[in-house]
Amino acid sequence: DSGVTQTPKHLITATGQRVTLRCSPRSGDLSVYWYQQSLDQGLQFLIQYYNGEERAKGNILERFSAQQFPDLHSELNLSSLELGDSALYFCASSVGGGGSRAFSEAFFGQGTRLTVV
Amino acid sequence: GDSVTQMEGPVTLSEEAFLTINCTYTATGYPSLFWYVQYPGEGLQLLLKATKADDKGSNKGFEATYRKETTSFHLEKGSVQVSDSAVYFCALRSNYQLIWGAGTKLIIKP
Repeated sequence: DSGVTQTPKHLITATGQRVTLRCSPRSGDLSVYWYQQSLDQGLQFLIQYYNGEERAKGNILERFSAQQFPDLHSELNLSSLELGDSALYFCASSVGGGGSRAFSEAFFGQGTRLTVV
Repeated sequence: GDSVTQMEGPVTLSEEAFLTINCTYTATGYPSLFWYVQYPGEGLQLLLKATKADDKGSNKGFEATYRKETTSFHLEKGSVQVSDSAVYFCALRSNYQLIWGAGTKLIIKP
């Protein structure tokens, strides 16, 4: 058990809909990262938050947004869903935020499998 | 920009065979390097890491050495087991994020 909790584990929804994925980081970790893993695109970094602020942005679509709350949990919102958004979405957390702060490793949750039909 | 290249899979080996999964990188400076493993149906977990040139990371019989001169971080294991079947990801730390290789699926047959 990595200590990172993601809910829900599975989600099936229709095209055009909006969903929210939730992540609780490990106790004490200030950074949260979101990743998308699909068969054709591999593991794609979406976005990182550090202590409530956006720190880095990757290949995140405009239809997607995220935030990190004062209690450090994070939510990834996916809207106007398309079939191609079907993937495994991972959240990871780490103590530091990279850069000058300590970064030893990122701990991953078990993922949310999103199926868009 | 920074990038990581891994050998394509799947790699299929028999139990007790020697394993090498190649990983090379392109980066400015000397980034920290990582190997993560993803077992079926699970999230990624750190397997080993190295933070500077010539460091050797090791865990669960796996090893990888940070080679600055060849910009490589190849993963090796002397004798693989069926339970090592998984997808292995090489990654480097670049500023605030990890840059990932595409992953290499490893299949070990009894």
